[in-house]
Amino acid sequence: GAGVSQSPRYKVTKRGQDVALRCDPISGHVSLYWYRQALGQGPEFLTYFNYEAQQDKSGLPNDRFSAERPEGSISTLTIQRTEQRDSAMYRCASSPGISGVLTFGAGSRLTVL
Amino acid sequence: GENVEQHPSTLSVQEGDSAVIKCTYSDSASNYFPWYKQELGKRPQLIIDIRSNVGEKKDQRIAVTLNKTAKHFSLHITETQPEDSAVYFCAASIPRWKTQGGSEKLVFGKGTKLTVNP
Repeated sequence: GAGVSQSPRYKVTKRGQDVALRCDPISGHVSLYWYRQALGQGPEFLTYFNYEAQQDKSGLPNDRFSAERPEGSISTLTIQRTEQRDSAMYRCASSPGISGVLTFGAGSRLTVL
Repeated sequence: GENVEQHPSTLSVQEGDSAVIKCTYSDSASNYFPWYKQELGKRPQLIIDIRSNVGEKKDQRIAVTLNKTAKHFSLHITETQPEDSAVYFCAASIPRWKTQGGSEKLVFGKGTKLTVNP
């Protein structure tokens, strides 16, 4: 696609529910990153993929968070048993290669009530 | 791990004045330093970047300088305009050979909210 697409743009859920956030990177981009951005803060690294392989998940806060990119294109970030502290903007970014410029998506704003 | 400090957190200037935002980083192996501009409600967008084999890079009214010895880099905006008002984020890369999986990983500063007053 022309840019990095994320859906949903806004998600409101109740504590304890599972949510799935989707990212469609720029076509052909090898690397895909997930970041979390709290209000008034810079993006915080969560995890990244090269093609379909999840190379680094050191930023995932705990085991309720997981991500996949099964065919090396679209990625899903899943948060199980959501908690209020999970409320944030979740941003996906993609890069053409392992040392390329990051292009960010518009983000998915998650609110956990 | 890498830590990036950014100052100031807010900056207010008059239109036409210059603005300078500074960042320091902790990992001497970092070699890529991008700057992102985020307008209200929008996504961060790259405005300029520099790699550690150069000390300065300019693109029209914006420039970035890098001092590897001191581990700091700065964004300079000259002749500021109201449309420059935004939050600016610096970032430093963890180089490929130090990351899991072999790709660069960016660590961001907390951001500087720049307001340009007409």
